Amino acid sequence: GEKVEQHQSTLSVREGDSAVINCTYTDTASSYFPWYKQEAGKSLHFVIDIRSNVDRKQSQRLTVLLDKKAKRFSLHITATQPEDSAIYFCAAITNAYKVIFGKGTHLHVLP
Amino acid sequence: EAAVTQSPRSKVAVTGGKVTLSCHQTNNHDYMYWYRQDTGHGLRLIHYSYVADSTEKGDIPDGYKASRPSQENFSLILELASLSQTAVYFCASNLGGSSYEQYFGPGTRLTVL
Repeated sequence: GEKVEQHQSTLSVREGDSAVINCTYTDTASSYFPWYKQEAGKSLHFVIDIRSNVDRKQSQRLTVLLDKKAKRFSLHITATQPEDSAIYFCAAITNAYKVIFGKGTHLHVLP
Repeated sequence: EAAVTQSPRSKVAVTGGKVTLSCHQTNNHDYMYWYRQDTGHGLRLIHYSYVADSTEKGDIPDGYKASRPSQENFSLILELASLSQTAVYFCASNLGGSSYEQYFGPGTRLTVL
């Protein structure tokens, strides 16, 4: 079946540095790629998304890149801050609003 | 702001017992979802629904039933709870149409003993 692979289970960066989280997907019909953030002990909330008709989207310090040929997408966080520490989930949607999530990357922003 | 609530927030159940987890949304969203979260597995889709009185199987439906009696309410039922169903369960909703953003509830921590 469809899969979304999230390649780093943990990522540590120094405060102020950039962080990059990578994901791949298997279903070429995937058309929408959201990212969600889960802070410790809390629920998930949406942070940014990208649709398959573009290859880049930026929102403040967050940028999502999409490479459809490689079936790969990534979340870039610049100038990381302590409050960026969380688990980040990538996901893909193909049809019928069925969302496939990656396993999550735990981002640690170190002082 | 979109609101999804879940009850109970935490539950301890006995093996073989029946458990019902409830979800309520005030977003007027058509789509609702149940996920479970386990360490190392991320979120896995159990059941979802896009209209009242209809549910669809997700990726891991075995051992779970779902019920959508109204647009606002979506329940997850474990008829015979098992140890392997210990997890955190999240409900989510989304509008549908061209909107795919999901709004998550706070989660229910279920422990089966």
